[in-house]
Amino acid sequence: GNSVTQMEGPVTLSEEAFLTINCTYTATGYPSLFWYVQYPGEGLQLLLKATKADDKGSNKGFEATYRKETTSFHLEKGSVQVSDSAVYFCALWFSGGYNKLIFGAGTRLAVHP
Amino acid sequence: GAVVSQHPSWVICKSGTSVKIECRSLDFQATTMFWYRQFPKQSLMLMATSNEGSKATYEQGVEKDKFLINHASLTLSTLTVTSAHPEDSSFYICSASGQATYEQYFGPGTRLTVT
Repeated sequence: GNSVTQMEGPVTLSEEAFLTINCTYTATGYPSLFWYVQYPGEGLQLLLKATKADDKGSNKGFEATYRKETTSFHLEKGSVQVSDSAVYFCALWFSGGYNKLIFGAGTRLAVHP
Repeated sequence: GAVVSQHPSWVICKSGTSVKIECRSLDFQATTMFWYRQFPKQSLMLMATSNEGSKATYEQGVEKDKFLINHASLTLSTLTVTSAHPEDSSFYICSASGQATYEQYFGPGTRLTVT
């Protein structure tokens, strides 16, 4: 079946450190891939997306590249800030009738000054 | 960006009673609304998808008679947990989308505790 696997958290970093949160997927066909972020007390927000192989999504200094050969969509940021502390969810979507998001378990990031 | 609200943000109820959770799209018309359930430290699990004016489509394993979903307008969907039991305690999250159903806007969630 279709699924998303994320690295377990929490991930604890110091400010300005490099961030990687791993995400791999299992899917039949070619899904679109997403990263969502959930700040404390708020709903999930779309952070970035990629709809086909080799696409790179980017937003707010975060990047992720759709790698079909490794079925991965790892999230990276070169220099994290305290305000990036949140839970990050990787998700995939199939169009054409399936029409639902499948989420990973989420990875909590804590950034300390 | 588009805003989705949920009410209440948390609720405690006694076993056997029913609880209604509202999900509203505040600044756009939501063609489709989704209801998710999230267990502690686990992923969001889709419960059902509803289109305005139509019956909801439930995911396999979700009891439609227990989790009643109504999507009466383009800005409001409700989830009613009927005859709630402690195992129904969870975090319920709704999302709403326009024509592009992969672009979902999420509410902040409702924490339900059944005692």
